[in-house]
Amino acid sequence: EVQLLESGGGSVQPGGSLRLSCTASGFTFSSYAMSWVRQAPGKGLEWVSSISSSSTYIYYADSVKGRFSISRDNAKNSLYLQMNSLRAEDTAMYYCARGLMAGSFASWGQGTLVTVSS
Amino acid sequence: SYVLTQPPSVSVAPGQTARIACEETNIGNKPVHWYQQKPGQAPVLVVFDDTDRPSGIPERFSGSNSGNTATLTISRVEAGDEADYYCQVWVSAGSDHQVVFAGGTKLTVL
Repeated sequence: EVQLLESGGGSVQPGGSLRLSCTASGFTFSSYAMSWVRQAPGKGLEWVSSISSSSTYIYYADSVKGRFSISRDNAKNSLYLQMNSLRAEDTAMYYCARGLMAGSFASWGQGTLVTVSS
Repeated sequence: SYVLTQPPSVSVAPGQTARIACEETNIGNKPVHWYQQKPGQAPVLVVFDDTDRPSGIPERFSGSNSGNTATLTISRVEAGDEADYYCQVWVSAGSDHQVVFAGGTKLTVL
C-alpha cells in the first residue's frame, strides 16, 4: 500500500522559514516524480512544485519561485520542501503527491498545516 | 496564463447523472485529470488521461475531452459522491512546466 506521510508543518512568523518532509513507503520511491500541492483554508488546490525521479527536472509555481526549494533523498525515501521568506498567503495545508512527470497525481498524503502569522 | 474554468457548483438528485465541465481553449489537446476531495480529506484521483480510471474507482465515473471542454461524468449519483471535484493539466512554455488546477466544483446531491 502506498503511504505518504508529511511532517514539519507549524506556525511561523512572516519572513520565517520551515522545512517540510514527506516520507514514502509501499512503492519504489526512486522511480516516481513527486510534488507538493497546497490548499489554503476554504480554497482550491494549488500546485507548488514538482521534482523528477532523479532530481534532474524541477519546476515551481510562479508564486513560490525564488523562495521555496524542493529536493529529495531517494536513499531515505523522502521528499522535502524548504520554504523561506514565508508570507501570510503561504498559509495552507501542504500535500505531498506521487505521480508521473507531466501526468496525474495518483497518490496523496494527508497533509501538514503551515500557518504564517504574526 | 493558462486558466481552467469549472462551474462553482453542480446539484443533482440521487440516481441521476452529474456532468462537471472544465473549460479552456484547446484543452482537448492536453491530458486532463480529475480529483475528488471530501471535507477534511486529501484529494483522490478519479480519472486520469481524459478517460482512464484508477483501480478501485467505480465505473460510474467517466471522463471525456474534446475541443475546449473536458467533462467528468458521474452516473447514477450516490450521496457518497458529494464532494469537491477538480480538473488538472500540465502546461509547458519552452523549458518550463507548470501544473494548473481549476478552481473546483462542489457537487451537491439533493
